[in-house]
Amino acid sequence: EVQLVESGGGLVKPGGSLRLSCVASGFTFSSYSMTWVRQAPGKGLDWISYIGSSPSNIYYADSVKGRFTISRDNAKNSLYLEMNSLRDEDTAVYYCARGRELLNWGQGTLVTVSS
Amino acid sequence: EIVLTQSPDTLSLSPGEGATLSCRASQSVSSSYLAWYQQKPGQAPRLLIYDATNRATGIPDRFSGSGSGTDFTLTISRLEPEDFAVYYCHQYGSSPRTFGQGTKVEIK
Repeated sequence: EVQLVESGGGLVKPGGSLRLSCVASGFTFSSYSMTWVRQAPGKGLDWISYIGSSPSNIYYADSVKGRFTISRDNAKNSLYLEMNSLRDEDTAVYYCARGRELLNWGQGTLVTVSS
Repeated sequence: EIVLTQSPDTLSLSPGEGATLSCRASQSVSSSYLAWYQQKPGQAPRLLIYDATNRATGIPDRFSGSGSGTDFTLTISRLEPEDFAVYYCHQYGSSPRTFGQGTKVEIK
């Protein structure tokens, strides 16, 4: 069974940093691209970053470019999102998802940016 | 950036009725790399359709996808009580990838 488990969310002040993790199981992690998607409270889905099975293939939404960094450790079956210079509008549930088509999703981790 | 516009914003229907959801792209979606997801309150989204027309594993055949280029449709042939939810389209043919704003299918 495919499982994706996010962690690392929490309350942070504007300008602060957080590192999210997503641990994968039930599939060959190194063979799949991975994506981070977020959802602000009561709002729609917002694509923020993609990393290919080869880590050289990386894309970001303009809203996070230069502030967020996606990475992966295939030996640990793990995906990461390093978030710096956080803003109020980054408050959201952050999901990781498997594959180009977003075949499977984790349960999400809540990031709250507030003073 | 490809902008996806879904219509209608809300669809009010009764169980047993059919539903037609639209997703229009501001420019052609490469290789029909378009997917549909269902999201229920408090849950993560679930993949229904990928590559515009292919049902994901375990998805009932009352869900079908069609379209190409800039116009895509999700059809639910007969609504079951568990189908009332929010539906999103998503293009993954070019970066940045984008989502539509969602269509809520509610019980009439």
